[in-house]
Amino acid sequence: DQQVKQNSPSLSVQEGRISILNCDYTNSMFDYFLWYKKYPAEGPTFLISISSIKDKNEDGRFTVFLNKSAKHLSLHIVPSQPGDSAVYFCAASERSNTGKLIFGQGTTLQVKP
Amino acid sequence: GAGVSQSPSNKVTEKGKDVELRCDPISGHTALYWYRQSLGQGLEFLIYFQGNSAPDKSGLPSDRFSAERTGGSVSTLTIQRTQQEDSAVYLCASSFRQGKGYNEQFFGPGTRLTVL
Repeated sequence: DQQVKQNSPSLSVQEGRISILNCDYTNSMFDYFLWYKKYPAEGPTFLISISSIKDKNEDGRFTVFLNKSAKHLSLHIVPSQPGDSAVYFCAASERSNTGKLIFGQGTTLQVKP
Repeated sequence: GAGVSQSPSNKVTEKGKDVELRCDPISGHTALYWYRQSLGQGLEFLIYFQGNSAPDKSGLPSDRFSAERTGGSVSTLTIQRTQQEDSAVYLCASSFRQGKGYNEQFFGPGTRLTVL
């Protein structure tokens, strides 16, 4: 039972354009959502997060949108840069004793110069 | 400061052998997590340690998997009688955990395990 899904395994965009990565979830108890970025042979690094009480969070070129009614979140990167090329994981956390993360399968973003 | 470190970075083993994977969390972090990423999959939660509390082992896929955390710091994940389906990247993360909400987790580079 995949509670967090990233249905697009890959995305290719031109440098300077917008990248939009999507994520769907099924568990209505999730109260915190995150995006992690992963380069080959490295661990994931935190990128941006959003609490379930908000619908938007912005940090520089990165914006995360949350649509709770649709159980959908998205990450917008504007403008996209070649250094943004990586695997992006959507993750969710349920308010609990552990804080464990439930991850999507990841989307490989390629930004072409 | 130093981040989360893991060793070895790569491990190749034969089916049926036991392996030990090590994680050194960030100093002072109270919580430690193990995840694994199989080919083409997202990260899958395995086990969670917090201070002196009993670990949450709910994500361990079978009784061949076990983990311990000594002195509230270093953790070892042991896989006994390895199988080919155990091949994956095993990732460790730590956080300074307070309360029941989310606290940022910092990941190590992972150990790539290949079972032949």
